[in-house]
Order: sequence, then structure tokens, then C-alpha cells
Amino acid sequence: GAVVSQHPSWVICKSGTSVKIECRSLDFQATTMFWYRQFPKQSLMLMATSNEGSKATYEQGVEKDKFLINHASLTLSTLTVTSAHPEDSSFYICSARGLATETQYFGPGTRLLVL
Amino acid sequence: QKEVEQDPGPLSVPEGAIVSLNCTYSNSAFQYFMWYRQYSRKGPELLMYTYSSGNKEDGRFTAQVDKSSKYISLFIRDSQPSDSATYLCAMSGTQGGSEKLVFGKGTKLTVNP
Repeated sequence: GAVVSQHPSWVICKSGTSVKIECRSLDFQATTMFWYRQFPKQSLMLMATSNEGSKATYEQGVEKDKFLINHASLTLSTLTVTSAHPEDSSFYICSARGLATETQYFGPGTRLLVL
Repeated sequence: QKEVEQDPGPLSVPEGAIVSLNCTYSNSAFQYFMWYRQYSRKGPELLMYTYSSGNKEDGRFTAQVDKSSKYISLFIRDSQPSDSATYLCAMSGTQGGSEKLVFGKGTKLTVNP
């Protein structure tokens, strides 16, 4: 139980394009989803927290107009990196937590490379 | 002082060794403690979850929480090369909702055959 998937697993795009990453909870309803990014050899950095049906809460320093988060259902959240630039290249990981769970379950991550 | 301190290692042990991984924290409000394992280029995988103080055992893994010392540990018995990964401690103060997890930086472990 408590499986979270992400799609795509990796993506390469040109500078200036937008990229959408999907995060799905497969066997539970995720009332809260979290988006992280991770640079090589560093720990997870929380970008934003989203609750189903409401606007995401962004961490300080994270541009909400650049990283658009939608949590339209209890099993799906999306992160859209708008007008991506090479410095946005990173490993993006989502996690999900349901009402019945006390902890976060992570997706496998999406590796983004912006050329 | 950071909320959660974790020695990044790297830690290298021979196969079969007992591994001890630790984190200290400063926020006395933390009640929920987790250990995640992260293989290279993969998302973190939940290993152990404990609430408040005490021990919890699951197979070769034992998690300990000492709230009086603000210290948590993960022990791995009979370590295997497949245990080679980065281990992240994480903790939070309340259950559910939008409570954020606070992570340690992770300890990189290598188990040599």
C-alpha cells in the first residue's frame, strides 16, 4: 500500500518551454501533497505544499508563478515548470499524505534537464 | 543551530556489520520520527516510523527515539550491500494536515561485500 507514482521519470526540454510533472497516489487518497527538489548530493528542499481543492502554499524563495501547482483531485497533483531555464534542471520529487496516514510517501522522482 | 542535524558521512562498513545512524534535533515539539532510504536517482522510501519515545523493530532495522536527549537512531543488523544508500531522518510535530517534515541532510552508507 501507499504507492505514489510520478510521470515522466525524466524529461529533457529546451530553454523557454514549459514542463508538466504529474504525481499520483495509486492506492490511497492524498489530502496533502508536497513538492520537493533535490540537487546532487543534497537533501530534499521543500518547494510547496498543496491541499486538494485549494491553492498551494509555497516556501520562501520559490516563485509561485514559475512553479505552478494544481491539486485538483485526491489522487493527482501536477507541477508545471513554466519557461524553464537551465538552472531549473534538478530532480523533482513529490510526496503524498492521506488523512489516515501520519507520514509522507514519496514518488520515484522526475529528472528534468533544461538545455 | 539547525532543527535537525545528521552526519552526512560517508559511512563505509563491511558486509554483516551493525550500522548505527543518528540524528539530533532541537525542536521539542517533534513527536513523529521517520527514517527514509534513498537510492541514487530514486525517490525516498519509508523504512521506519515511530511516534514519541521508544524502540521499534522491523526485520533487520531498529529505530530508537530518545525524546529527553532529542536523539534518534536507526540500527541495521547484518548489513548487506543492497543497504548501500543514503539514509534520511525526518520528523514532524503534528499528525496529518499540512505539517511539513523536517529532514536531516542524509547519511551516505556503503556496505562492502
